[in-house]
Amino acid sequence: ETGVTQTPRHLVMGMTNKKSLKCEQHLGHNAMYWYKQSAKKPLELMFVYNFKEQTENNSVPSRFSPECPNSSHLFLHLHTLQPEDSALYLCASSQDSLALTGDHNEQFFGPGTRLTVL
Amino acid sequence: AQSVSQHNHHVILSEAASLELGCNYSYGGTVNLFWYVQYPGQHLQLLLKYFSGDPLVKGIKGFEAEFIKSKFSFNLRKPSVQWSDTAEYFCAVNVNTGFQKLVFGTGTRLLVSP
Repeated sequence: ETGVTQTPRHLVMGMTNKKSLKCEQHLGHNAMYWYKQSAKKPLELMFVYNFKEQTENNSVPSRFSPECPNSSHLFLHLHTLQPEDSALYLCASSQDSLALTGDHNEQFFGPGTRLTVL
Repeated sequence: AQSVSQHNHHVILSEAASLELGCNYSYGGTVNLFWYVQYPGQHLQLLLKYFSGDPLVKGIKGFEAEFIKSKFSFNLRKPSVQWSDTAEYFCAVNVNTGFQKLVFGTGTRLLVSP
């Protein structure tokens, strides 16, 4: 399955480091999403981009900074993270985040980046 | 706020046993419902989805789910599980709050013993 790819797959960083997560979708979709998956907690939606415009910032701390240069690429820039930010970060895409019904709602997920903050 | 509850966090079954995983959501508007599966070391994959029409939906690998609107439920079933069904299962609800937002449950970890 290569519809949505994420790099790196694993990342270990210190609290003072700056790093970026990359997501690329090859499905021709117009919406992209960042989720955080922590142990024993539901997947948390972080950001939504639709046609390169950010449509949702789900109260995410400013140490996470998303960037969407085009509909196929999505980045998550990380700086001065905390140990509690260690988690699996998932990227997803869908046809359109604003469609009311139908298959436009279906989101396709990447494999995730396992982030460990020391 | 919208929420999704998955009551079983861990389920252990023997092969050929029947499976039912519960999912309840809290949202009074129009919803689209999904079950995703995450096999060990793999990414989230769509198992099945409900948008409208027949409330009994069939997905891949012999899974099915029934949408019961009056109970706000979307339980996942499989009549006979296999060892390869060992995975984590997530129920999700797509609510329209101006844009489409997927709200996930906490997941159910299924272990099928051979």
